[in-house]
Amino acid sequence: AQKVTQAQTEISVVEKEDVTLDCVYETRDTTYYLFWYKQPPSGELVFLIRRNSFDEQNEISGRYSWNFQKSTSSFNFTITASQVVDSAVYFCALSEAGTGANSKLTFGKGITLSVRP
Amino acid sequence: DGGITQSPKYLFRKEGQNVTLSCEQNLNHDAMYWYRQDPGQGLRLIYYSQIVNDFQKGDIAEGYSVSREKKESFPLTVTSAQKNPTAFYLCASRWDSNYGYTFGSGTRLTVV
Repeated sequence: AQKVTQAQTEISVVEKEDVTLDCVYETRDTTYYLFWYKQPPSGELVFLIRRNSFDEQNEISGRYSWNFQKSTSSFNFTITASQVVDSAVYFCALSEAGTGANSKLTFGKGITLSVRP
Repeated sequence: DGGITQSPKYLFRKEGQNVTLSCEQNLNHDAMYWYRQDPGQGLRLIYYSQIVNDFQKGDIAEGYSVSREKKESFPLTVTSAQKNPTAFYLCASRWDSNYGYTFGSGTRLTVV
């Protein structure tokens, strides 16, 4: 069965600090997809990134970067120079390839990030 | 614009009443999903449907029912059998060959 663990529950930083959100996953499949979503107070899920299991290249998008390491089953997310607008709940999620039950997204419990001015 | 519409955004019901949450998509996506979110619990899968007239239970289906009579629509009924229905409910869809998921803006259900 697939599982996603986000061990950090709440993180509080001061604006302009760097912060890393950890994500560890478990799956028996060799083909799978990893995701990060942001949930601001309004509640909608904002898609941030999708990574497939064959692409271990790290990715950078502006102040956001992601470190995917299959050897440790981790997919960590770093925000550089955090801003107040980054305050939200962040979810890591996993989907195995295929249809049926495998196609569901399994979420971690989320990390609440608070960025103080 | 294509997307998923969930209505209403806020819903209040008395205990013991059934309530139906709407989810409509105009993305022509095959698969649709219902998730429940509770504080500190992440999102948990209630039901999913791969095609019209077919749906499967997720991890926490007890007390819920769904239908998929049209590709565009996947309504969720929260029945009186659901012990703790107050939660935030999110609907999602996925194109069968695309591992990207689109989420609605959610319905916050409060049962009093």
